[in-house]
Amino acid sequence: GEDVEQSLFLSVREGDSSVINCTYTDSSSTYLYWYKQEPGAGLQLLTYIFSNMDMKQDQRLTVLLNKKDKHLSLRIADTQTGDSAIYFCAETPYSNSGYALNFGKGTSLLVTP
Amino acid sequence: NAGVTQTPKFQVLKTGQSMTLQCAQDMNHNSMYWYRQDPGMGLRLIYYSASEGTTDKGEVPNGYNVSRLNKREFSLRLESAAPSQTSVYFCASSEARPGYTDTQYFGPGTRLTVL
Repeated sequence: GEDVEQSLFLSVREGDSSVINCTYTDSSSTYLYWYKQEPGAGLQLLTYIFSNMDMKQDQRLTVLLNKKDKHLSLRIADTQTGDSAIYFCAETPYSNSGYALNFGKGTSLLVTP
Repeated sequence: NAGVTQTPKFQVLKTGQSMTLQCAQDMNHNSMYWYRQDPGMGLRLIYYSASEGTTDKGEVPNGYNVSRLNKREFSLRLESAAPSQTSVYFCASSEARPGYTDTQYFGPGTRLTVL
């Protein structure tokens, strides 16, 4: 299938804001997700947004959705070293694959002191 | 409540050997999935089971077989392992109710090396 696109790498300083961007492919996706993967671990759901919303805030996380451009972003306020991880966006494409997600390749976030 | 568990955590095989990766979930979820993760490739769906008793191919099914043993368990079998199957394998499960957000919960992964 088509690729969900993410930049591969982002480096920020501790205390700054991080913005991770994603372009998805299927305009019929009902939900869009952000997952976090720490080194050597599985994927952990961070947050999700329903397709009829354009913004969702959850503590330090803000998700923005632009359906017209099929663009999704994740902003992490006051980024900490513990936020260093790989972040995946995922869409729920209309397909025969049940509810399987279509993932981007992941953005590696490095937070430096 | 353990969530999604996978065994083994690590495995080294020789080319041509077979093995089965085990996955179990205790959340009474309907759907289960097997993904592989390769560097720079993100996660790719191998097989999924939308409900107990059904299985279907995903994006990269060649070289694999699956069994949905019961509602809790979904295994992935490599009949004749190849070096191209060196990867990290993740099992996931979801409630899969139409009209509801279908959050997938992931296991910790199995790191497989085929020599």
